[in-house]
Amino acid sequence: RKEVEQDPGPFNVPEGATVAFNCTYSNSASQSFFWYRQDCRKEPKLLMSVYSSGNEDGRFTAQLNRASQYISLLIRDSKLSDSATYLCAVNPEGDMRFGAGTRLTVKP
Amino acid sequence: DVKVTQSSRYLVKRTGEKVFLECVQDMDHENMFWYRQDPGLGLRLIYFSYDVKMKEKGDIPEGYSVSREKKERFSLILESASTNQTSMYLCASSLVRSEQYFGPGTRLTVT
Repeated sequence: RKEVEQDPGPFNVPEGATVAFNCTYSNSASQSFFWYRQDCRKEPKLLMSVYSSGNEDGRFTAQLNRASQYISLLIRDSKLSDSATYLCAVNPEGDMRFGAGTRLTVKP
Repeated sequence: DVKVTQSSRYLVKRTGEKVFLECVQDMDHENMFWYRQDPGLGLRLIYFSYDVKMKEKGDIPEGYSVSREKKERFSLILESASTNQTSMYLCASSLVRSEQYFGPGTRLTVT
């Protein structure tokens, strides 16, 4: 079993849609959680950290479920510019473990 | 803003050559990392370093070595480049147990 797993997608959604991604992790000792966004042929960029209480940044909401060992990312009112690959990242013991990414395409 | 820079965006080398990839960060981060990213395989950790002159093997260290002589600089060395090392190489840095910041990547082609 991989340490961090994501549905690779692709998710194809119309503009304005709400879309959610999940990411499961295997190490229950994990302490830090993040979502990254990666555009084609570019480096991953930090989108948001995921806190135990959940957090929101504009149209983006991240949640953590420790009991079931997953984190989620919700994007509301999708824009064309949201098209990218979204990577989850989990920090169990100092080094980061990344999921392989979920590809999102937002269509007009 | 955190800035992580890598020495080259694109590099073409021949099989058997020794290849140096350099990474510099300007935020006084303790941790630095080297990954490679291939389609369908995601980010795979090659080596990381928690401090100057310190290094730890990641998941795929074979065929690579690293050097960290100064806190801000972390170098990846391909001792004898092979075609299966053609990939995108990404450097990252972070504070302890914190989010990582990535450089722009080096797309290496070995022919």
